[in-house]
Amino acid sequence: QKEVEQNSGPLSVPEGAIASLNCTYSDRGSQSFFWYRQYSGKSPELIMFIYSNGDKEDGRFTAQLNKASQYVSLLIRDSQPSDSATYLCAVEENPGNNRKLIWGLGTSLAVNP
Amino acid sequence: NAGVTQTPKFQVLKTGQSMTLQCAQDMNHNSMYWYRQDPGMGLRLIYYSASEGTTDKGEVPNGYNVSRLNKREFSLRLESAAPSQTSVYFCASRENSNQPQHFGDGTRLSIL
Repeated sequence: QKEVEQNSGPLSVPEGAIASLNCTYSDRGSQSFFWYRQYSGKSPELIMFIYSNGDKEDGRFTAQLNKASQYVSLLIRDSQPSDSATYLCAVEENPGNNRKLIWGLGTSLAVNP
Repeated sequence: NAGVTQTPKFQVLKTGQSMTLQCAQDMNHNSMYWYRQDPGMGLRLIYYSASEGTTDKGEVPNGYNVSRLNKREFSLRLESAAPSQTSVYFCASRENSNQPQHFGDGTRLSIL
């Protein structure tokens, strides 16, 4: 059974701090990794995706991938109350031509003013 | 740019009734997906269509059927609704494997 695991939280950080969200996956052959944000009562929206080992930065967000250790993380710098949401990690099932994602259950983030 | 459009947004059914959830995307994506999301269960794949003309079961297909009407449209049908199918249903699409999925706003379905 291929799995994606996330700490359910809630993760609570003060405004302006760095929030660190982690995700581990079981499928060693996975090649593509995605972070989504989901506000309560809304649909998931894409924040970032990463394919290669290392860091990928986009504004206040940094995705980090370590395929050898099978984890991917999301850092949110200068956290804002508007970042309070559930963050979903998704991993492309291997082989990729199955065209499916494996989803974690999400980490709830609360940014306190 | 509308993206992924789902209709209806809300629906209440009685046990045993049937209905079809509609999904359309205007991004010329090849692949389309139907998920349900329940508290504590995360996103669970019901059915997907890797390309026009193909459909495949996901992890929770029982009680559902799908139709990939054309490249734009992918519908989900409940033939005989059951209270266990009360959920939020999301449609998503993407261009190809290894690309991000884009979601519609969801359909909130209650079955009494």
